[in-house]
Amino acid sequence: AAGVIQSPRHLIKEKRETATLKCYPIPRHDTVYWYQQGPGQDPQFLISFYEKMQSDKGSIPDRFSAQQFSDYHSELNMSSLELGDSALYFCASSLRGAYNSPLHFGNGTRLTVT
Amino acid sequence: KNEVEQSPQNLTAQEGEFITINCSYSVGISALHWLQQHPGGGIVSLFMLSSGKKKHGRLIATINIQEKHSSLHITASHPRDSAVYICAVPESTSGTYKYIFGTGTRLKVLA
Repeated sequence: AAGVIQSPRHLIKEKRETATLKCYPIPRHDTVYWYQQGPGQDPQFLISFYEKMQSDKGSIPDRFSAQQFSDYHSELNMSSLELGDSALYFCASSLRGAYNSPLHFGNGTRLTVT
Repeated sequence: KNEVEQSPQNLTAQEGEFITINCSYSVGISALHWLQQHPGGGIVSLFMLSSGKKKHGRLIATINIQEKHSSLHITASHPRDSAVYICAVPESTSGTYKYIFGTGTRLKVLA
C-alpha cells in the first residue's frame, strides 16, 4: 500500500540558505501535518492543512511557510536557515482530520544546517 | 505540565520481560495513537485506540477514556523492540485536529 512520501530524505544547507521539503500524503487523505523533531526531542507541531487550506498553526517560525496543493501534496519552505533548524521534519496525513482516522507518517526529511 | 505525559521516560529491560508504558493526557478527545520510532528512523503508528483494548502480536494497548489514561504493554520483549514509544492525542481546533505528542519512552531491551 502507498505510504506518505517525503522528499528529500536528507538535505544539507548552509546558514541563510533556503530549503523546500515535500510531502505526498496517502491517496485520498486530505489533511497534512508537519512536525519538527530536534535531536533527542519530541516532535513539535508546525502547521497543518485541510483541503488545501491552512487549518492550524503551531510553533512555526515566520521564516517558514507551507502550502497544500490541488493534488494534496504539501511543501514546507524554509528561508534564512539557522543552525537551530537542523532537525528531522516529519509529515503525516489523515482523512478529513477525523480524530479516529489512522495517522500515517512519512520517514521524514533530515535537514542539517551548517 | 505537559498536556500528554508518559512514564517512564527511560526503560531498560531484559529480553523476555513484560513491559508497560503509560500515557496520561489532559487534552484531546476520545482517541489516542501509540507510535514507535526506532533510532534514526521514521515514525510508525502501532495502534489507534478510542476505547477498550487492542492487540497486535506481542503488543497490547488499553485505554480508559474517563481517566484519560492509556497503557502499552509488550509481552516477551525482544531486543528489536528497542525504540522510542510515543503516545499522541488529537486535539480539536477549528473543526480539524492537531496531534499533541507525549514526551516519549525510550525502551532498551537487552539480550
